[in-house]
Amino acid sequence: NAGVMQNPRHLVRRRGQEARLRCSPMKGHSHVYWYRQLPEEGLKFMVYLQKENIIDESGMPKERFSAEFPKEGPSILRIQQVVRGDSAAYFCASQPGLSTDTQYFGPGTRLTVL
Amino acid sequence: GDSVTQMEGPVTLSEEAFLTINCTYTATGYPSLFWYVQYPGEGLQLLLKATKADDKGSNKGFEATYRKETTSFHLEKGSVQVSDSAVYFCALSDRGSQGNLIFGKGTKLSVKP
Repeated sequence: NAGVMQNPRHLVRRRGQEARLRCSPMKGHSHVYWYRQLPEEGLKFMVYLQKENIIDESGMPKERFSAEFPKEGPSILRIQQVVRGDSAAYFCASQPGLSTDTQYFGPGTRLTVL
Repeated sequence: GDSVTQMEGPVTLSEEAFLTINCTYTATGYPSLFWYVQYPGEGLQLLLKATKADDKGSNKGFEATYRKETTSFHLEKGSVQVSDSAVYFCALSDRGSQGNLIFGKGTKLSVKP
């Protein structure tokens, strides 16, 4: 059973461009969480999704950020018009359901905004 | 709101030394508690967890006991190895919320041979 996959692992964007981060959860997992890790900081929750539904986006900035988890395909975290402050590591985690509270993390995407 | 506080690092130990990383939490509900480990350039791996008071989580020689009276979940290992060098994160998941994890800032551990 493959683990949580994220791509790309490293992404470089110039200010004003768009960044698209992808997360494929573990097989059989229908819950996906996105977290952001700023340098020297712990992870901060951004958004929680189930297939085709955003359940909790309370940690996501109101502007420029969006997330989706379609019926088919990976979950996507999209950042429009990136700024230097968006430079961070973005991790997704998956969970099979609410019967367990253990989340399994992907390797992360390290976004650098020039 | 809920929060996690862990001791600041970095922590530098010699091989075979005893390790303690302190973690305390604030939560209104009855959270599950976790320790995750992050090796350089990698994602987080679950190290151990405990779901209720007085539970002890253990894995790879690491242990932590859920102490409700002191709201703590300190990580310990009796004899560290160079390969234990990593960043360790304490986290909680409040079952009353949507299950998202709340993390401490992390403690970087360096073990010297």
